[in-house]
Amino acid sequence: AAGVIQSPRHLIKEKRETATLKCYPIPRHDTVYWYQQGPGQDPQFLISFYEKMQSDKGSIPDRFSAQQFSDYHSELNMSSLELGDSALYFCASSARTVANTEAFFGQGTRLTVV
Amino acid sequence: GEDVEQSLFLSVREGDSSVINCTYTDSSSTYLYWYKQEPGAGLQLLTYIFSNMDMKQDQRLTVLLNKKDKHLSLRIADTQTGDSAIYFCAESMGGGFKTIFGAGTRLFVKA
Repeated sequence: AAGVIQSPRHLIKEKRETATLKCYPIPRHDTVYWYQQGPGQDPQFLISFYEKMQSDKGSIPDRFSAQQFSDYHSELNMSSLELGDSALYFCASSARTVANTEAFFGQGTRLTVV
Repeated sequence: GEDVEQSLFLSVREGDSSVINCTYTDSSSTYLYWYKQEPGAGLQLLTYIFSNMDMKQDQRLTVLLNKKDKHLSLRIADTQTGDSAIYFCAESMGGGFKTIFGAGTRLFVKA
């Protein structure tokens, strides 16, 4: 079965550069979530989208922005990167219109800022 | 508010049972999950339980839910060295709502 696809799997950027992470949800899933997991930390919720509209916002820095496109894929844009942005970024998707469905996580993108 | 708490470390001998405990605060949670994360890897969903269930068994894994006390546990029978990982307890209200994770319990399995 198709899973949540994230690209790239690994990314190395320098301080003050920008990065774009992509997430392709499971087909027919309408909700996408982004999480950030720092070294030794638990995943922290950043932001979510439902039907291309932001539906919930967590601890996402102002330097980050995200959007969901008409094909339901989502991109997380990160600007003015800092060393502390080095983390594993997870995307998850779910089908809000189906009652009691859980979110499925991608394998994550490991961002290293040097 | 939303909060998920779990102990940070657990050490067991190979072949013994492991029990990882978790408490949560959001009584409206519909799903309660256990994820496994090996070093440098992604989140692997091990099992989940609906809030209207007391127990769920899946091969070596047994999940117990005490909804009154908001306590969730994961029992791993016949623990193997390959079970060494971080185990995250998580909760969600389901479709469309974010998942809240605990800090993770690092399980060490001694041969």
